[in-house]
Amino acid sequence: QQQVKQSPQSLIVQKGGISIINCAYENTAFDYFPWYQQFPGKGPALLIAIRPDVSEKKEGRFTISFNKSAKQFSLHIMDSQPGDSATYFCAASKQGGKLIFGQGTELSVKP
Amino acid sequence: EAGVTQSPTHLIKTRGQQATLRCSPISGHTSVYWYQQALGLGLQFLLWYDEGEERNRGNFPPRFSGRQFPNYSSELNVNALELEDSALYLCASSLALGQAGGQPQHFGDGTRLSIL
Repeated sequence: QQQVKQSPQSLIVQKGGISIINCAYENTAFDYFPWYQQFPGKGPALLIAIRPDVSEKKEGRFTISFNKSAKQFSLHIMDSQPGDSATYFCAASKQGGKLIFGQGTELSVKP
Repeated sequence: EAGVTQSPTHLIKTRGQQATLRCSPISGHTSVYWYQQALGLGLQFLLWYDEGEERNRGNFPPRFSGRQFPNYSSELNVNALELEDSALYLCASSLALGQAGGQPQHFGDGTRLSIL
């Protein structure tokens, strides 16, 4: 019940396209859902986060869509660029504290 | 504003030795979290410290331990090192709890621990 399942494992998108990464969770007590971006040799960087009282949040080219009833949330990267090529992790936590991470998605944006 | 800093960047040890990893949180952050990122296993929660107290620990053996100092910096100690401990150890910090729903965690670039 503590798991967060992320898909796909890898994703190839053309420059200018939309990248979509999906996550699903089981624990309805989760109340904070961040997305992280990680480049090789670096730590994860917080991209955007959402709480379950909101169905969508947008920051620049990054949008989180949240479906509370389906217990799913997704990251959309609009106008994907080669510089977006990285590994993306979704995560969840309840009332602060530890983050439970998805397995990660390796995104490659082709020029 | 300085981010989360971790030292050393790389650490090479042999089986049975002990390793100490250090983390300085973002100024004003009182919570420190440790995660292990091992190849093929993703990011696994290790330990959480807040205001000097251990708040939670993940599913790791007792030879993984740590502490948080009065200045909120933290240390992760791993005793009796095993080959499987080879991983990237990440530290994150956040503001204090007190608001329902969690605070954003910001990560350092990690310490790469290699066990020979």
